[in-house]
Amino acid sequence: DARVTQTPRHKVTEMGQEVTMRCQPILGHNTVFWYRQTMMQGLELLAYFRNRAPLDDSGMPKDRFSAEMPDATLATLKIQPSEPRDSAVYFCASGLVRSAQREETQYFGPGTRLLVL
Amino acid sequence: QQQVKQSPQSLIVQKGGISIINCAYENTAFDYFPWYQQFPGKGPALLIAIRPDVSEKKEGRFTISFNKSAKQFSLHIMDSQPGDSATYFCAASSRDSGGSNYKLTFGKGTLLTVNP
Repeated sequence: DARVTQTPRHKVTEMGQEVTMRCQPILGHNTVFWYRQTMMQGLELLAYFRNRAPLDDSGMPKDRFSAEMPDATLATLKIQPSEPRDSAVYFCASGLVRSAQREETQYFGPGTRLLVL
Repeated sequence: QQQVKQSPQSLIVQKGGISIINCAYENTAFDYFPWYQQFPGKGPALLIAIRPDVSEKKEGRFTISFNKSAKQFSLHIMDSQPGDSATYFCAASSRDSGGSNYKLTFGKGTLLTVNP
């Protein structure tokens, strides 16, 4: 049963600390997304990658957030320095883009619940 | 700027009833409209999706109705069950530079409670 995995599942940290969230996409998927979910804003797309290259990171605060894919099996989202307003659930999703199809399902991981004190 | 407006925020339905969730959009470039279902503590999962070349799509008890001229679409859950209790998100996308509909804009979600 292939699924997206995320670590850690929960993180409590203090303001100013660096936070790194990790995602392992489904094996074979070539597109990876990072979302942030809050009660006020709902689900927001932060960034996404295709074949490990950033395709769109317009939703991500550039001054403190960074996203990378060191290899095809690992995506990271880093916040440095973290602030209380970053408290949210961060989801990673992956999918497979095939040239013959236009709509593709995104498979979400269980999320990382981040609390910045 | 909220590009996809979803209503209601919450909905309570009796078992066996019909649940209806509505979404409206502004961007006429949107051409793919999925609905995602999210249970507490889990990530969203695709439920059903539609393209604007059809006005309705049905999968089991779930139906999407689409009104292109009004720029509205809705999810109908027939014979609602307690197991359907979850948060439902509508979404919309236009093609990205790679030609796929991957960049989704989500509505803010509807918390559905189905009472036994």
